[in-house]
Amino acid sequence: DHVMTQSPDSLALSLGERATINCKSSQSVLWSSNNKNYLAWYQQKPGQPPKLLIYWASTRESGVPDRFSGSGSGTAFTLTISSLQAEDVAVYYCQQYYSTPLTFGGGTKVEIK
Amino acid sequence: QVQLVQSGAEVREPGASVKVSCKASGYTFTSRSIFWLRQAAGQRLEWMGWINPGNGDTKYSQKFQGRVTFTRDTPATTLYMELSSLKHEDTAIYYCARAGREGCYTTDCYSWFDPWGQGTLVTVSS
Repeated sequence: DHVMTQSPDSLALSLGERATINCKSSQSVLWSSNNKNYLAWYQQKPGQPPKLLIYWASTRESGVPDRFSGSGSGTAFTLTISSLQAEDVAVYYCQQYYSTPLTFGGGTKVEIK
Repeated sequence: QVQLVQSGAEVREPGASVKVSCKASGYTFTSRSIFWLRQAAGQRLEWMGWINPGNGDTKYSQKFQGRVTFTRDTPATTLYMELSSLKHEDTAIYYCARAGREGCYTTDCYSWFDPWGQGTLVTVSS
């Protein structure tokens, strides 16, 4: 199974600061035949289901603000929030869909300092 | 808009079964596979498997094999997840989620999840 490890577990930043969340996979999620990374990012606010932010590691879902961006390849990935807003307080998860069982990271809680 | 609306919270005793429904609307029901996942308190999101509403094909996580069944009612555009032989550790929020535009084939489904249902809390308690 692909084990997904996120860091940090939590971070507290001031409004307007940059937030960086890391995700490492125990095995590569890059499919060589199409050069795509099978990795997605989600945002989950309290009492709500997860919401898709990014897929293919860096493709922003329609309607997601452009302050959210994804990068990385192979086994190491990053979700960046360029300028933290109050509405970004949430837990963020990475997910690999390279192989079954599809697996998630443990989550990173983002708060306002 | 695309929506997945799940049934309400359930309480069951250990050893019982539970059946959760997920009504899909806003898109062609048979065009995308539906995943089932769960989220227990303090635990990671967990993938349980998928169903292809077009032909009823299913795939289950090995962890739940033999205990879980996915079905669908095509005229009602509704999916179902039934989990049997419930244990205390099955207490969780259960979600249905639609597969993304790409990644699903006849034999398996490698995709992101969008959108998700609102979740159904299943509590297993004696």
